[in-house]
Amino acid sequence: NAGVTQTPKFQVLKTGQSMTLQCAQDMNHEYMSWYRQDPGMGLRLIHYSVGAGITDQGEVPNGYNVSRSTTEDFPLRLLSAAPSQTSVYFCASNSPRDTAYEQYFGPGTRLTVT
Amino acid sequence: AQTVTQSQPEMSVQEAETVTLSCTYDTSESNYYLFWYKQPPSRQMILVIRQEAYKQQNATENRFSVNFQKAAKSFSLKISDSQLGDTAMYFCAFTTLGGSEKLVFGKGTKLTVNP
Repeated sequence: NAGVTQTPKFQVLKTGQSMTLQCAQDMNHEYMSWYRQDPGMGLRLIHYSVGAGITDQGEVPNGYNVSRSTTEDFPLRLLSAAPSQTSVYFCASNSPRDTAYEQYFGPGTRLTVT
Repeated sequence: AQTVTQSQPEMSVQEAETVTLSCTYDTSESNYYLFWYKQPPSRQMILVIRQEAYKQQNATENRFSVNFQKAAKSFSLKISDSQLGDTAMYFCAFTTLGGSEKLVFGKGTKLTVNP
């Protein structure tokens, strides 16, 4: 199993550009989530999904869109990038059938918006 | 809303010694899970240890153990026989039963193990 994969690993955008951060998992997990990590702030939840076709907002959703058309994929879209979105982005997945309640994280994407 | 507080932004310890990282949380839930995640310079998030709130026994994983005080809403991590490879950011995290797709993290503690 590859686990949770994220592409790209690094990205530089100019203000106003759009892009999609890709996330995929091969563990047949129902749940997927996006977090952003900023210095001194820990990880904060952006959006999450409990299954294909179902998404919801987390703590810091503004400026981001998500959709979940398949169990495996959960892309995060930045429609008009802003310098405040400079961060490291993590995708995670888990299953409600897992009584250990562990989330599995991807390697992260470092995004810089200039 | 749940909150997680880590009051030590940075800590250091000598190799082979013991260090304790603090974490407190706030919730009105009675059943929940607590976690410690390690993030080395590679930035990969690695689960170190988990604790189920309804279990009174403190979790242990090799050199890592927790002191879980439910009434005080405290969840500290003890690292024994510290190794250079323990140098990392450590995050305390919380999730509720039925809400495992949503982790609430503390701001982290940067631990440096000195030779």
